[in-house]
Amino acid sequence: EAGVTQFPSHSVIEKGQTVTLRCDPISGHDNLYWYRRVMGKEIKFLLHFVKESKQDESGMPNNRFLAERTGGTYSTLKVQPAELEDSGVYFCASSRLSGHSTDTQYFGPGTRLTVL
Amino acid sequence: AQSVTQLGSHVSVSEGALVLLRCNYSSSVPPYLFWYVQYPNQGLQLLLKYTSAATLVKGINGFEAEFKKSETSFHLTKPSAHMSDAAEYFCAVSEGGNQFYFGTGTSLTVIP
Repeated sequence: EAGVTQFPSHSVIEKGQTVTLRCDPISGHDNLYWYRRVMGKEIKFLLHFVKESKQDESGMPNNRFLAERTGGTYSTLKVQPAELEDSGVYFCASSRLSGHSTDTQYFGPGTRLTVL
Repeated sequence: AQSVTQLGSHVSVSEGALVLLRCNYSSSVPPYLFWYVQYPNQGLQLLLKYTSAATLVKGINGFEAEFKKSETSFHLTKPSAHMSDAAEYFCAVSEGGNQFYFGTGTSLTVIP
């Protein structure tokens, strides 16, 4: 079974530009999560999709971030316009069951975003 | 609110020595606890999880962790370190919602 994949693996952009990150969850996983790790700090929750619906987006930092999951398959996370503090590693995870807290979340390798 | 503290951002051990990575959490309800490992250029991989069954949890690659409620700890151990254990390790807690709360990670170096 293919794991969670993320594209691109690295992105370097200038402040004010737009970047779109993509996540393909494991096939059949209805739950999809985005997390972010700013250098040296903890991995922080951004949001959770159940199929195409946003279940919880309490961790989204501000309205420059837009996540979508049209069709309930892959998801995109757009940052527009990017700021310096958006730099970090963005992880995507997916889980199979109903989103219960004991579900194992399977993580992708992350996208390293650098905003100059 | 939940929080996770991992003492020691960097830990070095000799090959064959005991590995001990510390994790303490704060939680207002019985938590679910996880350890993940990230090898270079790979995603986070689940090592083990505690979900209110046995307090001593065995995971993959010879790792285990013990849930100690009185100490609010979930330390990760392995009796004998291998070179292949060099990676970054993350402790995470969930309280019944969908969010995982992670610690800041511990980078493990294994010295030959």
